Amino acid sequence: EVRLVESGGDLVQPGGSLRLSCAAAGFTFSPYWMSWVRQAPGKGLEWVATINPDGGETYYADSTKGRFTVSRANTENTLFLQMNGLRVEDTAVFYCARGQWGTFDSWGQGTLVTVSS
Amino acid sequence: DIVMTQTPLSSPVTLGQPASISCRSSQSLVHNDGKTYLSWLHQRPGQPPRLLIYKISNRFSGVPDRFSGSGAGTDFTLKISRVEADDVGVYYCMQATQLITFGQGTKLEIK
Repeated sequence: EVRLVESGGDLVQPGGSLRLSCAAAGFTFSPYWMSWVRQAPGKGLEWVATINPDGGETYYADSTKGRFTVSRANTENTLFLQMNGLRVEDTAVFYCARGQWGTFDSWGQGTLVTVSS
Repeated sequence: DIVMTQTPLSSPVTLGQPASISCRSSQSLVHNDGKTYLSWLHQRPGQPPRLLIYKISNRFSGVPDRFSGSGAGTDFTLKISRVEADDVGVYYCMQATQLITFGQGTKLEIK
């Protein structure tokens, strides 16, 4: 069974940093494109970032470019999202998702990031 | 950026009746490779989204054939032939032709 488990969400002050992880299990992690998608409380889905299988290509939404960095450790079956310069408007549940070209066939349960003073 | 616009934003439906959701993109979703990367997802309250349809009309594994997707270019539709209680929640269209953007979501509820 494919499993994606996010962790690292927390309460952080504006301007602070946080590193999210997504642990993959039940499938061979390394060949898959992976993405982060977030959902602010009561709002819709917003794409955050995507990384290719070997980590050599990364793509970001304009709202996160320059502040967030997506990476992966294929030997550890783990996806990461380093978030710096956090803003109140970054408050959201962050999901990791597997797949390419929008075929996000597996999602984690999400981890909550709250940015507040 | 490609903007995805869904209508309606809310859809009250009677059990057993059909439902339809439209999604329009601000520019053509036909990729340089000739394929159209338009997907539909469903999110139940308190749950992560799940994939229903990919590349306009391909049902994902385990998705009932009550769900169908159609369209081309900039106009796409998700249809549910007979709504069941389990179908409630929010439906999102999503394009991945040029980076990734989602529609605002359509809330399906039972009358």
